[in-house]
This record gives sequence, structure tokens and C-alpha cells, in this order.
Amino acid sequence: AQSVAQPEDQVNVAEGNPLTVKCTYSVSGNPYLFWYVQYPNRGLQFLLKYITGDNLVKGSYGFEAEFNKSQTSFHLKKPSALVSDSALYFCAVRDRENYGGSQGNLIFGKGTKLSVKP
Amino acid sequence: KAGVTQTPRYLIKTRGQQVTLSCSPISGHRSVSWYQQTPGQGLQFLFEYFSETQRNKGNFPGRFSGRQFSNSRSEMNVSTLELGDSALYLCASSLGGSPSYEQYFGPGTRLTVT
Repeated sequence: AQSVAQPEDQVNVAEGNPLTVKCTYSVSGNPYLFWYVQYPNRGLQFLLKYITGDNLVKGSYGFEAEFNKSQTSFHLKKPSALVSDSALYFCAVRDRENYGGSQGNLIFGKGTKLSVKP
Repeated sequence: KAGVTQTPRYLIKTRGQQVTLSCSPISGHRSVSWYQQTPGQGLQFLFEYFSETQRNKGNFPGRFSGRQFSNSRSEMNVSTLELGDSALYLCASSLGGSPSYEQYFGPGTRLTVT
């Protein structure tokens, strides 16, 4: 069965410092990987995705993520954090070979709360 | 383009009642998915519809059902409500037809069961 792990419930960063939000995944086939952000009392917003090709993916608001197949990871990064980046971040995975089948759902991690202090 | 809209935004129901939630996807999107979000369980997949057909279903009891109309709008229904059904229900739409498409989420419907 496919799964996503976000090992940190919370990440605290000072404004201006780099940030990393970790994500590891498990799928039987090859993955499609996504990052979403959720602000309080709002739905999720798409940040970026990995489909194929370059392992470094660039997304919205200066975020990027690196796909590492050997470590089955897809960590979210940003060179310089802003206070406005404070939110809940979700990693999600979908098994591309099983789309349409019982294992083809988009599976989300538990979320990591990012807190950026001035 | 207008985003994904969900109605109602807030709902209070009593145990044993039933509820219907509505979702209007982004124009041109043919796939609609539903998720339940709770503090304890996080985001859990309910079901996905594409061109009026249920493509996938999560591990929820039969009390949870859904459908999609020809204009891609979707509804989900929960019958015989239980206290544990209190949650934020999120609808998401995508172009559909490929697992690589990202999903766009609505603001959610906050359901409280008393």
C-alpha cells in the first residue's frame, strides 16, 4: 500500500533562514509527488509537483522540492523563509501505475506545521 | 477563472440525520475528489469522480456516498450521522484523465454533528 510520512509535526525557522520540510513516501510503482499548503480556515493550495525529469522542481512562492528516488524522499525547501510562509504543509503521493485502481488514490501525509518567527 | 466552490460553508446537524454537501469545480475540470480532514486522522480520501463515474473510493462506510452530474458538479451525502463525522470536508477538482494533474481545493464545508 502506498503511504506518505512527514516525520516532523512542526518546523520552526527564523525569518530569512532557509527552511526544509521533510517527506518520504512508499509506493509499489513510480510516484507522482505533490506539495500543498493550507492556511488557517482555508482549503489546500497547490505548490508544486514532480512528474518526471529534473529532480529539482520549482514551484509557487519561491518553494522548490528535490526528488530523491534512492531515498524515496521529496523534501520541500525555500532559501529564505518569510513570516507569511507560516502554514500547514502537506506532501502527497499517487502511484502512477495504479491510477484508476484501488491503489491509485492521492494519499496525503499528516502535515507539518511551519512556523516562521521574525 | 472562478475557483472551486463548496456549499454550505458551515453546517450543524444532529446524530442520525443526513446531510448533502455540494461542490462546483473549476470550469473545464472533469474530475472531482472529496476528502475528510480531522485533527486526528488528517486528510483522508473519500472518493473521486470523473465524467460522472466513480473512479476510486476510500475506506469509508457505505453511509458516505457521492455522485457527479453532467456539468461536473458533485454532491456527497452522509446518512445516519455520527459524532465522529464532525470534520472539514474538502472538495478538489482537476482536469482529470491523468494522475499527474494537480488538484485545486475548495474552502471546505465544516460539519459539526451534535
